[in-house]
Amino acid sequence: TQLLEQSPQFLSIQEGENLTVYCNSSSVFSSLQWYRQEPGEGPVLLVTVVTGGEVKKLKRLTFQFGDARKDSSLHITAAQPGDTGLYLCAGGTRFGAQKLVFGQGTRLTINP
Amino acid sequence: DVKVTQSSRYLVKRTGEKVFLECVQDMDHENMFWYRQDPGLGLRLIYFSYDVKMKEKGDIPEGYSVSREKKERFSLILESASTNQTSMYLCASSWSQEQYFGPGTRLTVT
Repeated sequence: TQLLEQSPQFLSIQEGENLTVYCNSSSVFSSLQWYRQEPGEGPVLLVTVVTGGEVKKLKRLTFQFGDARKDSSLHITAAQPGDTGLYLCAGGTRFGAQKLVFGQGTRLTINP
Repeated sequence: DVKVTQSSRYLVKRTGEKVFLECVQDMDHENMFWYRQDPGLGLRLIYFSYDVKMKEKGDIPEGYSVSREKKERFSLILESASTNQTSMYLCASSWSQEQYFGPGTRLTVT
């Protein structure tokens, strides 16, 4: 069974600080997605990374896929209250298949 | 924009009732999924479908069934609801590994 471990599970920081969320596995994934979910809503896709070592930037968010395609990180620079939410990583289980394996999520709170 | 809608945002049912959760997507996606989300457990896959009338069990199919008679619609059925099925239910659709989610149905079984 493929598993994705996210850390930390909870993170509360002050506005303006930087943070990193990690997503780790012993399994290789064909792709890695990051989603953000706000209370009472479904997850919304932020980014997909598919190549080992790939780095993608979305404004103040930087996403990286590990060289071996087993891990990923999300770094937020100068966090803002609007970044508050549940962040989920999800791995594509095998090439050509469409199922995802989800991490448990990181609940992020940015305090003004 | 991809739109995935779910029939109810909140639902309260009694133990033993048959419950239908409906999901509709408007992007002609081949794949549709039902998850449940519980605190600390993340999203767990109940069933998914890769074509009309085709379905596969996910990680936690017990107590659930599904129906996909039309491409755009995927229904989750709780044959006899139990209190341990109280949860947030999320539907998603995709044509690749990027999934698009509905707003969720918070089901309470009393």
